[in-house]
Amino acid sequence: ETGVTQTPRHLVMGMTNKKSLKCEQHLGHNAMYWYKQSAKKPLELMFVYSLEERVENNSVPSRFSPECPNSSHLFLHLHTLQPEDSALYLCASSQDDGELFFGEGSRLTVL
Amino acid sequence: GEDVEQSLFLSVREGDSSVINCTYTDSSSTYLYWYKQEPGAGLQLLTYIFSNMDMKQDQRLTVLLNKKDKHLSLRIADTQTGDSAIYFCAEIPPGNQGGKLIFGQGTELSVKP
Repeated sequence: ETGVTQTPRHLVMGMTNKKSLKCEQHLGHNAMYWYKQSAKKPLELMFVYSLEERVENNSVPSRFSPECPNSSHLFLHLHTLQPEDSALYLCASSQDDGELFFGEGSRLTVL
Repeated sequence: GEDVEQSLFLSVREGDSSVINCTYTDSSSTYLYWYKQEPGAGLQLLTYIFSNMDMKQDQRLTVLLNKKDKHLSLRIADTQTGDSAIYFCAEIPPGNQGGKLIFGQGTELSVKP
C-alpha cells in the first residue's frame, strides 16, 4: 500500500466511449502526476500538477484531459481514444521535488 | 537525446548475483534512481544515488555510478525468486523538477529456482 489509489484497475472501452481514470493520494502531497506505461517502452510523463495547477503537459493529445480538483485527487478523462492508447496509466504523487509514490495503475484497453 | 537505455531482459538462477545496467543521458543529472515494478503493481523506489557518489550499498543492493561513461548499475546479491520484477533506471536532468524523471524501458528480471 503506497498511499496512492487508482480506480478502476482495469478498463476496456470502445473508441467512441468517454471514461475517466481516478487517482487519490492519502499522503498529504502537493504534486500529482500521470504517466503512461506501454510495453517495452520508457514511462512517459503526461501531466504534472503542482498545488492543483497544471505545470506540465508533454504534448499529450487532447483526447486525454486531466483534472485536479484538489491536491488529493487527480482524474484523467478519456474521449475518442485510439487502440494505440492501450497502456497502463500510472498516477504518482510527491511532496515538492521529493520521492515519487506510484499507484498500482489502471490498465486501459481500447478496442 | 533524452533516452535512458536498459537491456530488456535478464535471467538468473536463485542465489546468483544479478547485475542490471543502465546508460543515462546527462552527466549533470543530480540524482539517479532504481525503481522496481512487481507484476500488477505500480513502481516502487528501490534505491537512489547522488551524483557525487560512486557507489551505494543497501543490504543486498549495490549501486555503481560511472559518471564519465554515464553508466549506472544495480547489483542484487543472492537473488531470490521474489526479486523477479521489472527494474527501471531513471534520472532527473538539470532543469527538471523532482517528478519529471526520465525513465528507461525497464529490465525484466526473471529468477529461476
